[in-house]
Amino acid sequence: GENVEQHPSTLSVQEGDSAVIKCTYSDSASNYFPWYKQELGKRPQLIIDIRSNVGEKKDQRIAVTLNKTAKHFSLHITETQPEDSAVYFCAARGYGGSQGNLIFGKGTKLSVKP
Amino acid sequence: DAEITQSPRHKITETGRQVTLACHQTWNHNNMFWYRQDLGHGLRLIHYSYGVQDTNKGEVSDGYSVSRSNTEDLPLTLESAASSQTSVYFCASSQDVGRGEQFFGPGTRLTVL
Repeated sequence: GENVEQHPSTLSVQEGDSAVIKCTYSDSASNYFPWYKQELGKRPQLIIDIRSNVGEKKDQRIAVTLNKTAKHFSLHITETQPEDSAVYFCAARGYGGSQGNLIFGKGTKLSVKP
Repeated sequence: DAEITQSPRHKITETGRQVTLACHQTWNHNNMFWYRQDLGHGLRLIHYSYGVQDTNKGEVSDGYSVSRSNTEDLPLTLESAASSQTSVYFCASSQDVGRGEQFFGPGTRLTVL
């Protein structure tokens, strides 16, 4: 089945700097890659997602890139702000049957220092 | 507004007791999921359902069961609670597998003493 590795587990940046979180997946049939943000004590919420027919997607200060050949995808946050501090989870979804479920990485705790 | 809710939000129980966590969604989503979240492990799938009367085991299903008698609810039962089941439990739902996006409930913090 699918396996998702996420790095780094913790990331600390200064306000205004960029942050990059990387994930690799094992199943070449995976076709959907969402990113969730979880603030302390809250539920995970989708912030951006990308499908396998797209190489990059942007939404204001956040962007996701996908390299299908290398089977990795990354979250980029530019001009970080203190409110970006949270745990970020990547996930991958296969195709068909139970492979349609999301498999999550173990998360990255991002701290943005003012 | 449509939403997904969980109850209770906090629960303390003793080893060996049966516990049921409720999950209710008003989006009329076909798919519902239960995850547990533990430090260092991220979100791990316990059970999932693609529709009424459909239930399936996930990655960490031992000691848990679910039933799906209607579209809105997927209760999670711990048959005989163990200290290893102390965790935060999240329910999620999605319209269909093809769309992918899952919407999460607020979570239930369960402590087994």
